[in-house]
This record gives sequence, C-alpha cells and structure tokens, in this order.
Amino acid sequence: ETGVTQTPRHLVMGMTNKKSLKCEQHLGHNAMYWYKQSAKKPLELMFVYSLEERVENNSVPSRFSPECPNSSHLFLHLHTLQPEDSALYLCASSQERGGNSYEQYFGPGTRLTVT
Amino acid sequence: AQSVAQPEDQVNVAEGNPLTVKCTYSVSGNPYLFWYVQYPNRGLQFLLKYITGDNLVKGSYGFEAEFNKSQTSFHLKKPSALVSDSALYFCAVRDDSNYQLIWGAGTKLIIKP
Repeated sequence: ETGVTQTPRHLVMGMTNKKSLKCEQHLGHNAMYWYKQSAKKPLELMFVYSLEERVENNSVPSRFSPECPNSSHLFLHLHTLQPEDSALYLCASSQERGGNSYEQYFGPGTRLTVT
Repeated sequence: AQSVAQPEDQVNVAEGNPLTVKCTYSVSGNPYLFWYVQYPNRGLQFLLKYITGDNLVKGSYGFEAEFNKSQTSFHLKKPSALVSDSALYFCAVRDDSNYQLIWGAGTKLIIKP
C-alpha cells in the first residue's frame, strides 16, 4: 500500500465543518480516482482524473469538490456534509494507455464519520 | 447494460480445502476482468486480471481465476485455503463505454481453522 497513500486515515467532522482528504500516488500513473465505499453496497465511483483533467463525475453532490493539482496528488474537499456521507473514501490510481485504463491501485482509505 | 454479479454474499471454507468465489459478467465487447481483495480497514489490493490469452489466469497469494466465455464467468479459485485468506473479494469488469470499472458487491470469504 505504500504506492498510494491517503491522509488522514480517520476523520470525524460536524456537518458545518470544512475538511480535505489527500491522496498521493508514487507509481508514476496518469489517472487517479475517488471512490466511496459504504457497508453492503458496491464501490461508488465519484471522480476520475486523467492527465490532471476531470473526465468523470458520477452525479456527486456539490458538497464534494475534487482537486488534482498534478498527476501525483488528488484532493477531495468536503463541506456541509450529511450523516449519510459517512463512509470509507478510497483513492486509486492507474496507468492509462491509448484510452484504456487497466488495473487500479488503491490507497488504504479515509474512514469518514459525519456527526 | 454492462454489469457484474457476485451471487454469494459470503463463502465459508475449511482451511486446506479448495475455495471458489463466483463472478459473472455482462459486457458488449471483449471483457476485461479483475479480482481485488480487501482486508479489514484496508484499501483494495489487485489480485489478477484477464485481458486476453489463456483462460486460466494466475495472480497473487496463490490465487487463480478461470475465464469462461460461454458461461460469462470469471470465478476466483485457490487449491488450498489459508485462514489468512479471510477477507472481502471484489470482481470488476471494464465498462466499454468509458473504460471505467464496474464493481460487484463483494463476497466475504471466511476460512475456518
């Protein structure tokens, strides 16, 4: 898991707080992803960045705001969250080749609790 | 519509016995298939993939998966289970429309000593 790191590992925040999740990949990949993992549900893709441009936004509420300043770093800015946003947030990266993405490598996740 | 299904929420296997975790898929073109494992409080780890070639794919930790085109399946297997294999296993298939992964709901594998 040292290939993709995420901080913090745990975060408790109130509904009026603003916080940010950070992800860094050390694999030289050119695509990065944010996923939400809730209990007993399939992984939900939130955002995809390819070559630092956002290419996918799966109808995520605007209280989640991604930022990708370079190919190695990805942020997820959080504000005015709801209790149902409590989940494990996973970052992943992959190498895109000719428009095809292959296996993704994941960070350990940030366990978010919204109170 | 493209999809992937893991029909079992949980699989229980005795240590030393062979294990199988099932996955079926539906795609419009050639399938690109993946298996991942997630240990408690950890991120997902890539196990193996099928892109093309031999139907039997070997991966990490002694796991392998068999691609069966006629049955549209990609079951994960291991000849002899270890207690340390207990984890959550996810199957995924690449969506041909946007090249992103479509994920199964996961199967909890429990290996009993």
